[in-house]
Amino acid sequence: EPEVTQTPSHQVTQMGQEVILRCVPISNHLYFYWYRQILGQKVEFLVSFYNNEISEKSEIFDDQFSVERPDGSNFTLKIRSTKLEDSAMYFCASKRGTSGYNEQFFGPGTRLTVL
Amino acid sequence: TQLLEQSPQFLSIQEGENLTVYCNSSSVFSSLQWYRQEPGEGPVLLVTVVTGGEVKKLKRLTFQFGDARKDSSLHITAAQPGDTGLYLCAGGWSGNTPLVFGKGTRLSVIA
Repeated sequence: EPEVTQTPSHQVTQMGQEVILRCVPISNHLYFYWYRQILGQKVEFLVSFYNNEISEKSEIFDDQFSVERPDGSNFTLKIRSTKLEDSAMYFCASKRGTSGYNEQFFGPGTRLTVL
Repeated sequence: TQLLEQSPQFLSIQEGENLTVYCNSSSVFSSLQWYRQEPGEGPVLLVTVVTGGEVKKLKRLTFQFGDARKDSSLHITAAQPGDTGLYLCAGGWSGNTPLVFGKGTRLSVIA
């Protein structure tokens, strides 16, 4: 069964460094998302992406964040200058199309630790 | 503002018992998803409910969407230790809008 994959599984970085989190969505899916989950808290939306542009973003997704689909398979989240509070699990999700309901499939996540 | 509230927050039961967990909101959703999440892993989709009053069964799990599409419940019959995990509900609207998650119910089934 097709699934969303993410790399790396764990990323440790120093405050102020740039990180790129990578995702390969399910191949016939058209909508892509990034969410994050700070330890012990709920899953929060960051950004959605469709047709090579951002569809929607939350107030968490400030100028330090960017997303890109550099080729036909990868979807990346870049954090330009990491802060301690960026430490969290980051989940990529994808959705097939504009069906009437919003069924999103999640990857296993990247645990980002900012020291 | 808590759009989706899940209760109870924690639940510890003996193997073989039945349980129900709840997901409530003041908002109307086009669909509601239930996910299960293991520690350090991503949410795994269990079911999507879209019609008010809809009931879906997945083996020993029964999911119900409220008539007004504002709330949902998950009932587990004869719980097993393998059911242990964090159960998340997430509400969505049509199109590609982001999902709104509850905080989850952490279930522990003791053998």
